[in-house]
Parts: sequence; structure tokens; C-alpha cells
Amino acid sequence: DIQMTQSPSSLSASVGDRVTITCRASQNIDNYLNWYQQKPGTAPRLLIHAASTSQSGVPSRFSGSGSGTDFTLIISSLQPEDFATYYCQQSYSMPRTFGQGTKVEIK
Amino acid sequence: QITLKESGPTLVKPTQTLTLTCTFSGFSLSANGVGVGWIRQPPGKALEWLALIYWNDDKRYSPSLKNGLTVIKDASKNQVVLIMTNVDPVDTATYYCAHETATVPRAFHFWGQGTMVIVSS
Repeated sequence: DIQMTQSPSSLSASVGDRVTITCRASQNIDNYLNWYQQKPGTAPRLLIHAASTSQSGVPSRFSGSGSGTDFTLIISSLQPEDFATYYCQQSYSMPRTFGQGTKVEIK
Repeated sequence: QITLKESGPTLVKPTQTLTLTCTFSGFSLSANGVGVGWIRQPPGKALEWLALIYWNDDKRYSPSLKNGLTVIKDASKNQVVLIMTNVDPVDTATYYCAHETATVPRAFHFWGQGTMVIVSS
């Protein structure tokens, strides 16, 4: 199985801050990397697929990059509605695997 | 517009069999490349992928749960069913079904709202 490791597990940030979340795969996954946002009590929402392609309707402050084993999700200017948990997920091979999540909290 | 909705029991006793149904609309599970997956999330914990079934009836399972899982589809009813045998309290979780894109690289673009399942005697 491909292990996905996110860091940090949690972070505290203020509105307007630039936030960086990293995701590392245990082996090469090319660009088969997706990012999801989950708010309490709701289903995950796909933000970015194929490492850097934003979904329609996702604010431009969200961006993804990386290839191979190392990936990054950046929120350029954190907004109140961005406080949530973020997960990476690989679709390179079976079984599909998720990272353990990064909880973004209000500072 | 693609929508999915999970349904099933809220409370199941240990050792029993859990059957969950995902009813979807806005896409056909007969269309080339389309898949429907099941993902669960124990309270306060991370997402865990369980299974995927594709348009051609190809089925994939989590290796850690493989022996206790079965996924079947009824494309004519727009439904996918997840069967989990011999459940345990550790299977207490919110269970989601999700549409996996037909194109590569794949992703779970659309999710159901989830259904909470408690395993307790």
C-alpha cells in the first residue's frame, strides 16, 4: 500500500495568513494526488485533483503543487470559512489511501 | 447534477452483517470508466477507503477489510450496495459513498452526505 503522510497534523493560524500543508507519498505517484476539505459534520469536498487542478468554484487562494512523492496545498490568505480539516489522497494505485488529515484552527 | 445518498441501519450489533445502500443520480454506472467508492470515518478520525466498484463490475477492496467486504451494483436501479460481515465496535463510523471520475487521474468528485453507523450491543 502507498502510505500518505501529511504535516503538520494541526496548525493554528489567523485570518489573512498564508498556510502551507504538505503531503508525502511512500512511493512515486506522479501527479495522482487529490486534496479534500472537510468541515465538521459534512462530507469531504474535492478542492484539487491531479495535484494542481482546482475544481470549479474553489477560490483562487487555494493552490496545489508537486509531483512524484512530495506535494503541497497552499492557502494564500486564510479566510474564516477555510477553518477545516484537509486530506490528501492518492489515486495512483489500489488501495486508495488518504493522509491522516491536517486540522486548520483559528489562532 | 450528480448526487449520491447513503442509507442503512443506524445501530448494528457486533457480529451482525451491515448492509448499506448508495443511491445515486446524474450519472450511469454503465458508462465507461465510472466508479463508485465507499469511504468511512470513525468519530474524530481520518478518512479510510473501503472499496470501489467500476462500470465493468471490477471490484477492489481494502486489504485490511477484504475478507469481510462485498460490494455489488445494480446499474438499472442506480444503486451500489456495501455488505460488511461480522461487524465490530471498531466499525462504528460515518460511511460515505462517492463518485470516482472516469478520467485519469481519478478523484472522488462527488460525495454523499454520509450515514452514521454505530456498532454496539
